Amino acid sequence: NAGVMQNPRHLVRRRGQEARLRCSPMKGHSHVYWYRQLPEEGLKFMVYLQKENIIDESGMPKERFSAEFPKEGPSILRIQQVVRGDSAAYFCASSPPGSGTGFQPQHFGDGTRLSIL
Amino acid sequence: AQSVSQHNHHVILSEAASLELGCNYSYGGTVNLFWYVQYPGQHLQLLLKYFSGDPLVKGIKGFEAEFIKSKFSFNLRKPSVQWSDTAEYFCAVNEGIKAAGNKLTFGGGTRVLVKP
Repeated sequence: NAGVMQNPRHLVRRRGQEARLRCSPMKGHSHVYWYRQLPEEGLKFMVYLQKENIIDESGMPKERFSAEFPKEGPSILRIQQVVRGDSAAYFCASSPPGSGTGFQPQHFGDGTRLSIL
Repeated sequence: AQSVSQHNHHVILSEAASLELGCNYSYGGTVNLFWYVQYPGQHLQLLLKYFSGDPLVKGIKGFEAEFIKSKFSFNLRKPSVQWSDTAEYFCAVNEGIKAAGNKLTFGGGTRVLVKP
């Protein structure tokens, strides 16, 4: 039973390039979350998506960052014109639809380590 | 805004020693509380969770945590650690209201090194 799949595991980009990070949720999960972990820091929430909808993007930087979760295919976190400060580990998590308790624990992927040269 | 504090950034101890990691949060309302563990090179795994009920929660691998509402705390404990418990531990909180959605607020993490 596959868990949350993220690819690539490592991504190297030069300043000014675009980075695309992919996340396939666990089977049966329709909610996807993206978190960023800067060096020596904890995870910070970025965005929460359901299929074709952005539910909460309160943690997303206002510029250069975007996320989508199309009807078919993985969720994509896109960073345009990357800068050195974007170097971090980006984790995706997924959860099933709520079942009355209102909250379902999130299952995390292995993360994508983004390095900007 | 919600914040989560983990007081110890690094903990070093010997096998068989007892472990307690502190976690405090700032939100005064209903909360859902979690501890995650990240072994070297691996993804975060859920150790235990608290939604409601008995404030003493037992998780996997012999870990437990106690929710003390008056202290806004959710400390993690293990009576006797093993070398394989070497990992980074994260406390996380979700505001238990529908408007907050499902996002988690994480503490900064505590790196635990267990010496054989």
